[in-house]
Amino acid sequence: DTGVSQDPRHKITKRGQNVTFRCDPISEHNRLYWYRQTLGQGPEFLTYFQNEAQLEKSRLLSDRFSAERPKGSFSTLEIQRTEQGDSAMYLCASSLNLITDTQYFGPGTRLTVL
Amino acid sequence: DQQVKQNSPSLSVQEGRISILNCDYTNSMFDYFLWYKKYPAEGPTFLISISSIKDKNEDGRFTVFLNKSAKHLSLHIVPSQPGDSAVYFCAASGASGTYKYIFGTGTRLKVLA
Repeated sequence: DTGVSQDPRHKITKRGQNVTFRCDPISEHNRLYWYRQTLGQGPEFLTYFQNEAQLEKSRLLSDRFSAERPKGSFSTLEIQRTEQGDSAMYLCASSLNLITDTQYFGPGTRLTVL
Repeated sequence: DQQVKQNSPSLSVQEGRISILNCDYTNSMFDYFLWYKKYPAEGPTFLISISSIKDKNEDGRFTVFLNKSAKHLSLHIVPSQPGDSAVYFCAASGASGTYKYIFGTGTRLKVLA
């Protein structure tokens, strides 16, 4: 399978704990995106990387959130001191560096903060 | 400020008939539009896209129409099949020179056998 993969698929944690999610993009894609989706809403942009450079961050990405893509391949998204409002589906997508840039999504990580 | 709007939260269509899903946007700087399909507990799956230089793009049973003057796009599915039952999201990009997508809130399509 050469699609975008995410790990874990589900995460249940207690408020105040730290969590980390991983995304492996399609191998030849150099852009990688993180989105968050809550119930009844469409995905909302969080941040994106071109290779290892983080080029844009949404105001949704508070100081408790940090994302990395150290070698321009996989990426991690860490949430520190989780809050119940962080409960959501976290989606990763990747794309080629083209003018019309179709993003392909992974299956997502469902986070539940108790 | 919802820049991409899908005003119909749900739609039911008989199998074999046409499904028409609508999407409106407010930012005239958007230059690339897409439709995704999403099943529960899965990520969005890319369906079809259209650049702002075109007004129609077709791929099998799926056709996307873009009306730039009305800032409106639609997805036509003909003929509709029960397996098309899912939530459909439209997305737009290109404003502010970034590649991020702005998504609508989705339309749940149910195709009745």
